[in-house]
Amino acid sequence: DTAVSQTPKYLVTQMGNDKSIKCEQNLGHDTMYWYKQDSKKFLKIMFSYNNKELIINETVPNRFSPKSPDKAHLNLHINSLELGDSAVYFCASSPRQGAGEDGYTFGSGTRLTVV
Amino acid sequence: GQNIDQPTEMTATEGAIVQINCTYQTSGFNGLFWYQQHAGEAPTFLSYNVLDGLEEKGRFSSFLSRSKGYSYLLLKELQMKDSASYLCAHLDSGGYQKVTFGTGTKLQVIP
Repeated sequence: DTAVSQTPKYLVTQMGNDKSIKCEQNLGHDTMYWYKQDSKKFLKIMFSYNNKELIINETVPNRFSPKSPDKAHLNLHINSLELGDSAVYFCASSPRQGAGEDGYTFGSGTRLTVV
Repeated sequence: GQNIDQPTEMTATEGAIVQINCTYQTSGFNGLFWYQQHAGEAPTFLSYNVLDGLEEKGRFSSFLSRSKGYSYLLLKELQMKDSASYLCAHLDSGGYQKVTFGTGTKLQVIP
C-alpha cells in the first residue's frame, strides 16, 4: 500500500507539449510538496501546499501550475514544455509544514524527458 | 543548494565507519535533516537534529553544532547496501518552514 504515489513514472514528450503529473498520499498528512531534481542531483523545492492552500512558490516559471483538489492530492501541470524541464520530479508529503522529526515521505519520482 | 556544502563523493570499505560532513549557512535555522537516496529511487528520511549533540539511531548517528553551522552523518559497520547518496538539508525558521537540500554526497562502499 504505497504511501505517496505519483504517476506516471516515466514521461517522454516533445517540446511545446502540455503534460500533467499526479500525486496522491494516503498518510493523512496536511502538507504536500513538489521538488525538482536535476541531472546534478540538486533537489529544489518548487511548491508547497498546506491543507490545499499554496504556501511556497519558489520562482518557478508560470508554465508550471500546481493544483490541490484536496489535501491528499497535489497535481502538477506543465505548459509549453522546454528542454530544460527535463528532470526527475518528486512529490512529497509531511504531517505538517517543515516536517520536523517526521521528515518528508517522497513518492518514487517522475522522470520527465523533453525531446 | 548554494548554502549547503557536502563532499561530492566518498569511498569506504565494508565493515568500516564513515563520516559525511555538511556545513550550512542560513539566516534562520530550525533543524537539520539527513536523507538517503539510492540511485534511481526516492530520498528516504534518516534523521532530524534540532539541538546540538549526537543522535544515535542504530548504525546511523547524526551530529549537529548550531553555532558552527555544521553537521555530520556517521555510518558504522558499513554494508554494501549503504552505497547511496546522502543528502543534508536544513529547515528554515519563519512562516513558510522551507527545507533546502544540498547536492548530496555519493558514498560508494567497496568490499
